[in-house]
Amino acid sequence: AQSVTQLGSHVSVSEGALVLLRCNYSSSVPPYLFWYVQYPNQGLQLLLKYTSAATLVKGINGFEAEFKKSETSFHLTKPSAHMRDAAEYFCAVSETGAGNQFYFGTGTSLTVIP
Amino acid sequence: ETGVTQTPRHLVMGMTNKKSLKCEQHLGHNAMYWYKQSAKKPLELMFVYNFKEQTENNSVPSRFSPECPNSSHLFLHLHTLQPEDSALYLCASSQVSGETQYFGPGTRLLVL
Repeated sequence: AQSVTQLGSHVSVSEGALVLLRCNYSSSVPPYLFWYVQYPNQGLQLLLKYTSAATLVKGINGFEAEFKKSETSFHLTKPSAHMRDAAEYFCAVSETGAGNQFYFGTGTSLTVIP
Repeated sequence: ETGVTQTPRHLVMGMTNKKSLKCEQHLGHNAMYWYKQSAKKPLELMFVYNFKEQTENNSVPSRFSPECPNSSHLFLHLHTLQPEDSALYLCASSQVSGETQYFGPGTRLLVL
C-alpha cells in the first residue's frame, strides 16, 4: 500500500527566505513522486515530478525536490521565497508504471510574509 | 483551447435540483478523474475512467453519477445533493491511469 505524509499543514516564511516543504512516502515498489501547487480558486498545477531518473528534480518557478530513497522523502525546496509562492502544495505518489492510483498528501499551506 | 477545461466554474443549486458538471481534456489522454476537495479535508478521489470504462468508484453516494461518453469528455451528474456536498470538484486527466495527472480549474459547488 502507498501513502504520503506531509509534515506541517501550515508553513510561514519571510520573503527571500528558504522554502522547505516536507513529504515522506511509503511504497513497496519504486514510486513516481509529484509536487503540485494550488493557487486560490484554481485547480492543481504540476510543479515537478520524479520518475526514476535524476534524484534531484527541477521544476517550474524555481522549485526543486530531491528523491532520497533511504529516507523515503521527497522534500520541496526553493532558495528564496516570493510573495507569489503563497499557495497550497500537494505531494503525491504513484507506483511505477501505468494502471495505478495516485495518492495525495493532505497539503501544506505556504504563507509568505513580506 | 488547451489543457483541461471545466464548466461551469461556479454552481449554486438547491437540494432538489438536477445539474451536471462538464470536463473536457484537449491533451489526447485516455484516463480521466473526478476529485472532491472540501475545506480542511484531503483531496478525495471519486471516480476513475480508463479508455471510457469506469475503473474506480470510491464509495461515492449514488446522488453522484459519472458519465464518460468518450476519452475527451467526462460528466458528473448531480441529483438531490446535500449541503455537505458543497465543495470544489476537480477534474483531471492523464495519458493512462497512474501517469502524471493534469487538472482543470474546478467547479465551485454550493448546495443550499
